[in-house]
Amino acid sequence: DAKTTQPNSMESNEEEPVHLPCNHSTISGTDYIHWYRQLPSQGPEYVIHGLTSNVNNRMASLAIAEDRKSSTLILHRATLRDAAVYYCILMWNNNNDMRFGAGTRLTVKP
Amino acid sequence: GAGVSQSPSNKVTEKGKDVELRCDPISGHTALYWYRQSLGQGLEFLIYFQGNSAPDKSGLPSDRFSAERTGGSVSTLTIQRTQQEDSAVYLCASRPVGSGSYNEQFFGPGTRLTVL
Repeated sequence: DAKTTQPNSMESNEEEPVHLPCNHSTISGTDYIHWYRQLPSQGPEYVIHGLTSNVNNRMASLAIAEDRKSSTLILHRATLRDAAVYYCILMWNNNNDMRFGAGTRLTVKP
Repeated sequence: GAGVSQSPSNKVTEKGKDVELRCDPISGHTALYWYRQSLGQGLEFLIYFQGNSAPDKSGLPSDRFSAERTGGSVSTLTIQRTQQEDSAVYLCASRPVGSGSYNEQFFGPGTRLTVL
């Protein structure tokens, strides 16, 4: 399985943008890039996913490098509620099992 | 509609006892996953069921762990002869699988297992 590498932790100030990086240098052509996040004491929740093109939704934006070896989750204005562990995951063919790594723990300071 | 539910929410057991953890997925979701999360750690994949296919058991840590899914719906994770290192939150997730757009995973609230 292709692996992802994320920083263990990041900090942000409230109402500032946050860029969460993910490296996946062994990604294959059929691997989709997914992001989930886990708020304290809750199960993970879906954030966004993409294949090649950048993606936007109400929660975040996903910027995918042209060679697909890295991606960045962008929170445009961090709120205190965005403090969570963010997981970057590759899913083969968008329809398979999902293996979570350690993720990035995001702290948002008021 | 109802989300993924898990029971019990908390389970305290003694070392050596067997435990059963239950997951009720969202109706119609054909894929079901079990994960465990130790304190302060990421999610560890355990097992994956997809429709009538043979389950992917590659994440089960030992033969003390087993899981079944009856009728393509409810799933039970069984841990035999529990050990203290089995203490963790056990999370279940379900996902609809079909053609077309991406189908996200929906997670349950988890079962916190404590082995004394």
